[in-house]
Amino acid sequence: GQNIDQPTEMTATEGAIVQINCTYQTSGFNGLFWYQQHAGEAPTFLSYNVLDGLEEKGRFSSFLSRSKGYSYLLLKELQMKDSASYLCAVMDSNYQLIWGAGTKLIIKP
Amino acid sequence: ETGVTQTPRHLVMGMTNKKSLKCEQHLGHNAMYWYKQSAKKPLELMFVYSLEERVENNSVPSRFSPECPNSSHLFLHLHTLQPEDSALYLCASSQDWTSGSNEQFFGPGTRLTVL
Repeated sequence: GQNIDQPTEMTATEGAIVQINCTYQTSGFNGLFWYQQHAGEAPTFLSYNVLDGLEEKGRFSSFLSRSKGYSYLLLKELQMKDSASYLCAVMDSNYQLIWGAGTKLIIKP
Repeated sequence: ETGVTQTPRHLVMGMTNKKSLKCEQHLGHNAMYWYKQSAKKPLELMFVYSLEERVENNSVPSRFSPECPNSSHLFLHLHTLQPEDSALYLCASSQDWTSGSNEQFFGPGTRLTVL
């Protein structure tokens, strides 16, 4: 079966750095996405990785290792507004997005 | 209106009611999606439409019936639902559905409660 694993909840301090991991087992691979979802709101796109390596976009970076079936989202200089759920999703060989259950990130002052 | 809109935002219905959820995208995209989001569970893809044709139906019970009259509008018709169908129903769109890099844009969702 297809599976995406990510931690259920993480806590970090304002101004710090946090890394959210995602491991996957899917039928084929056409890219990995990270989305942010604030409580009661729609998911919004953060990043897309299809090749191995690190993609940096401002305070957020995303890393992919296809051989290990592993990705992480790195958030730097954490702000209170970063409190949200972070969803990892992999596009399989049928172009369907397979989603993880999300990681709820709690930022403390 | 911009992006993806959904109405209603909240819906409470009995098990014998019939209701419809509406989604509209103003992005000129060719693909539209219905997802179900239950607490602490992964997003479940229900239906995919590409250029108004259904291309995926992930074993969804027949009490959920989608309709895509044009590339901008998507409906989800509901009838004789069960309490376990209570969830957040999200609509999304993307430029195409077979391009790996296409990000999906989500609407705000309809919070459905079945009594």
